[in-house]
Amino acid sequence: GQQLNQSPQSMFIQEGEDVSMNCTSSSIFNTWLWYKQEPGEGPVLLIALYKAGELTSNGRLTAQFGITRKDSFLNISASIPSDVGIYFCAGQQTSGSRLTFGEGTQLTVNP
Amino acid sequence: DAGVIQSPRHEVTEMGQEVTLRCKPISGHDYLFWYRQTMMRGLELLIYFNNNVPIDDSGMPEDRFSAKMPNASFSTLKIQPSEPRDSAVYFCASSLALAVGSYTFGSGTRLTVV
Repeated sequence: GQQLNQSPQSMFIQEGEDVSMNCTSSSIFNTWLWYKQEPGEGPVLLIALYKAGELTSNGRLTAQFGITRKDSFLNISASIPSDVGIYFCAGQQTSGSRLTFGEGTQLTVNP
Repeated sequence: DAGVIQSPRHEVTEMGQEVTLRCKPISGHDYLFWYRQTMMRGLELLIYFNNNVPIDDSGMPEDRFSAKMPNASFSTLKIQPSEPRDSAVYFCASSLALAVGSYTFGSGTRLTVV
C-alpha cells in the first residue's frame, strides 16, 4: 500500500532554534495533515492542508502542501520546551478514505 | 464534546487472558478507527468502521483479534488469548466522512501482557 516517508526520525535542538521536517510519498494525496503526540496522549491535529501549494500557519507552526501533491513540510519557528513530542504527517488520497501516517519525527528541545 | 473516550487507560494482564478495550467516538462521527502504536512499527491501522459496519480489517494481526461496533456510540477491540507481543498502545479515532480535519484520536490504552 501507499507509504509516507517522514524525516528526520529525530531532532535534538536548542530552545529558540527553528525546526523543519518533511513527508514524502510516491503516491498523490489530496489532503495532508500534521499531528503532534505528547507522552501518554493520542495525536492531536495541528494543521490540515487541502490544496496543492497551500501554505498554512498555526502560531509558530507553518505547513505547506507540495505542488506535486506527493510531499508536505512542517516548520516550527523559535522552538520552546513545550514543542517536545512526536510529530506525524498523514495523508488522505480521496475524501472519506483512510489516513496514511508517516513514521513520526521525535523532537527534543533543550532549554 | 468530550472527545473520543477510551477505557481503560492502562491494562496489565497475564499471557493467555482475554483483554477488551473500549471506545466511545465523538457523537455524530460516522467513521471509527482502531490503531496500534509500537516503537518498532509506529502507528498501524487495525480496522475501521463506517456507520457501524467494518470496512477494512486487513490490519488485524491474526484471529486472536476481533472488533465490534454494536452501535454508533460504542466499539470494542478484543484480544483472546493475549500474548506478550500484543503489548502496545491502542488508539481509537473517529471522524466525519467529508471532514478529514475532524479526525480525532482518543488518549489510548496502554496494554502490557506479561
